[in-house]
Amino acid sequence: GNSVTQMEGPVTLSEEAFLTINCTYTATGYPSLFWYVQYPGEGLQLLLKATKADDKGSNKGFEATYRKETTSFHLEKGSVQVSDSAVYFCALDPASGGSYIPTFGRGTSLIVHP
Amino acid sequence: DSGVTQTPKHLITATGQRVTLRCSPRSGDLSVYWYQQSLDQGLQFLIQYYNGEERAKGNILERFSAQQFPDLHSELNLSSLELGDSALYFCASSVGAGDEQFFGPGTRLTVL
Repeated sequence: GNSVTQMEGPVTLSEEAFLTINCTYTATGYPSLFWYVQYPGEGLQLLLKATKADDKGSNKGFEATYRKETTSFHLEKGSVQVSDSAVYFCALDPASGGSYIPTFGRGTSLIVHP
Repeated sequence: DSGVTQTPKHLITATGQRVTLRCSPRSGDLSVYWYQQSLDQGLQFLIQYYNGEERAKGNILERFSAQQFPDLHSELNLSSLELGDSALYFCASSVGAGDEQFFGPGTRLTVL
């Protein structure tokens, strides 16, 4: 079956530091890839997405590129803020090939200190 | 506000009992998903409905069942509850398969 692996957390950074959260996936076909963010006490919300190889999703300074050759979708941000502290989930949704089961990684907690 | 509503927000019950969680999707969304989130298991996909029909089933126990009604709202029924069923249960909706999902605020279930 499909799977998503993301780096263990927590990731602890100082404000304005560079962020990378690694995500790799295993899937057949060409799934859509997503990053969701969950703030304390809330549901997940979409951060960015990419639907085909070499697509770059971006939002609020975060970026991730769909790399089919390395089956990766790493999340990056050039300068993190305290308000970015949250849990980040990498996910895939096959949407075709006979499977409609979305798969989420276990989440990576990000803590940003002033 | 995602536009997805879930009720109740909190639920406390005893082992062996049965509860029903309710979800109303965003206007226009045909797909509804149910997830269970716990500290040790992470976010687990339970089941998906599309326009009233079951489309995909994940790690859903036989004690759990769900349905999507003609008005597209969905209910998740949990029966013979065990301590280990204590978790956050999220509902999400999307326009269709493979699209971004919009998550509700969740229902926190505590089984005592």
